[in-house]
Amino acid sequence: SQTIHQWPATLVQPVGSPLSLECTVEGTSNPNLYWYRQAAGRGLQLLFYSVGIGQISSEVPQNLSASRPQDRQFILSSKKLLLSDSGFYLCAWSHPGGTDTQYFGPGTRLTVL
Amino acid sequence: AQSVTQPDIHITVSEGASLELRCNYSYGATPYLFWYVQSPGQGLQLLLKYFSGDTLVQGIKGFEAEFKRSQSSFNLRKPSVHWSDAAEYFCAVAPNSGYSTLTFGKGTMLLVSP
Repeated sequence: SQTIHQWPATLVQPVGSPLSLECTVEGTSNPNLYWYRQAAGRGLQLLFYSVGIGQISSEVPQNLSASRPQDRQFILSSKKLLLSDSGFYLCAWSHPGGTDTQYFGPGTRLTVL
Repeated sequence: AQSVTQPDIHITVSEGASLELRCNYSYGATPYLFWYVQSPGQGLQLLLKYFSGDTLVQGIKGFEAEFKRSQSSFNLRKPSVHWSDAAEYFCAVAPNSGYSTLTFGKGTMLLVSP
């Protein structure tokens, strides 16, 4: 069966510091991968998605970036965090090909002070 | 582009009572439809999905949803709510052809009173 991992689970960072959140999927090959941000009262905002290694689509212009260095690894980064980057970050995966069910990881709670 | 509306931000239901959470979508054809649940501080868990066929879909934890094309709705129901059902519920929609990401509603927070 497939599993999805995210770390760290929680993170407190000062404004202006860098960020690296990691997501890995096990038990499947060539998954589609997604990064979402969930801010209080604002639902889920899709940040990035990837259909393959090195293929990243950005949905929202911002100071975040994503990379997919390996088939089942998806990384969310920032060079300099803003207060507005605080939130709950969720990674998800789906089977390759057409639109399909997305399966979510446990999330990372990021607080920028 | 598709959109999803969950008109109720919060709903309070007594334990043992029935539940219906509303979801309306905007899309030119029959979409793929999903319901997810999120407990505090956790990721989203898939409850059920509709791709085609029978418009009444059964899911996990005793939930069901009915797709009504004429009303562009996909409401979630449960005949008897348990205290452990307290969580936030998200409806999502995607086009039924090609590849697309999901569009989520803003969620409905379910509170269960004793």
